[in-house]
Amino acid sequence: GENVEQHPSTLSVQEGDSAVIKCTYSDSASNYFPWYKQELGKGPQLIIDIRSNVGEKKDQRIAVTLNKTAKHFSLHITETQPEDSAVYFCAASIRSGGYNKLIFGAGTRLAVHP
Amino acid sequence: DTEVTQTPKHLVMGMTNKKSLKCEQHMGHRAMYWYKQKAKKPPELMFVYSYEKLSINESVPSRFSPECPNSSLLNLHLHALQPEDSALYLCASSEGPGMSKETQYFGPGTRLLVL
Repeated sequence: GENVEQHPSTLSVQEGDSAVIKCTYSDSASNYFPWYKQELGKGPQLIIDIRSNVGEKKDQRIAVTLNKTAKHFSLHITETQPEDSAVYFCAASIRSGGYNKLIFGAGTRLAVHP
Repeated sequence: DTEVTQTPKHLVMGMTNKKSLKCEQHMGHRAMYWYKQKAKKPPELMFVYSYEKLSINESVPSRFSPECPNSSLLNLHLHALQPEDSALYLCASSEGPGMSKETQYFGPGTRLLVL
């Protein structure tokens, strides 16, 4: 079945630095890749997503890149701030019985130090 | 507005109790989801409802019983749970079940403790 691997599991950066989180997926038919941010005690919040017909997407300090040939996609956060500290999950959408399901990576715990 | 609401926020129940979790969205979304999330793990899909019909059941034990009374509401009925069922239960919704409509928005979750 589909598998999504996410690295690193923890990431510690200084405020103002950039952070990069990488994911790989196994199902070449996957065509939708969202990223979620989950703060302590809250539900996952969609921060950016990308579809397979696009190679890169940017929203202010956040960008996502997708390499369909290599089956990997990455989240880039520039000028990190302490409020960026959270767990980040990547996901890949797969078809199952005519419906779309999200397969999540294991998560990356990002700590931004002032 | 991309809000999904869930009640209650916290729930403590004994193994013989019956309780229900509720989820509501008013975005006109026609697909709704239940996930279970254990500490330091990603969400795990439990059920998918599409147009108020159960579309996917990820081999969830029968002590969890989902219900979709209408297109805005999703319930999860709990009965005879085990301590290992303690987790954060998340509800999500998307515009539809198909491609280009699958962006999922999550609620804040219900933190369940089974004693």
